[in-house]
Amino acid sequence: DAKTTQPPSMDCAEGRAANLPCNHSTISGNEYVYWYRQIHSQGPQYIIHGLKNNETNEMASLIITEDRKSSTLILPHATLRDTAVYYCIVRGYNTDKLIFGTGTRLQVFP
Amino acid sequence: GAVVSQHPSRVICKSGTSVKIECRSLDFQATTMFWYRQFPKQSLMLMATSNEGSKATYEQGVEKDKFLINHASLTLSTLTVTSAHPEDSSFYICSATPGQLVGYTFGSGTRLTVV
Repeated sequence: DAKTTQPPSMDCAEGRAANLPCNHSTISGNEYVYWYRQIHSQGPQYIIHGLKNNETNEMASLIITEDRKSSTLILPHATLRDTAVYYCIVRGYNTDKLIFGTGTRLQVFP
Repeated sequence: GAVVSQHPSRVICKSGTSVKIECRSLDFQATTMFWYRQFPKQSLMLMATSNEGSKATYEQGVEKDKFLINHASLTLSTLTVTSAHPEDSSFYICSATPGQLVGYTFGSGTRLTVV
């Protein structure tokens, strides 16, 4: 599976959009991009995933560049409860495994 | 939505004893479940893949005789930490998915403390 690179930490003001970048420059054509988050001392929570098209659900939007080498997770109106570690994971179609990187620690402040 | 239940949420055991952690898929069947370990301020590390009706597949560096995995049914996988030592103290998390390419659901985790 392709390796991902994320900034270690980010801050965001409550009510503003949080844009979390992820670099996956070695991604191959059949690999999906998944985003999870982990709030302190809990199991990770699924947010969204995509292959090449942009995706949106009730939690977030996922923007994948045309060359698929990077993506951005957007939380449109961040709240204090969005403070968590966000993981960007690339997973191949033929594998069941999710391998976690170091993630981005997002701190939402009032 | 898919729910994965993990039990117990916290356990304290004496050094040298064994501890069993259960992972259940409540509303779906899972032929495959995954076990992770997480140390403080670190990311999740995949330990093993639990396969229903067959042997688990362990990641490199994980001792299969120390971390026994049993996946006897389509809704239950167990992880037994044998002869636990203080260095085994960690946060153990399981996950499963109801289908290919659907988001994986994670349990709430088990905080193991070995004293």
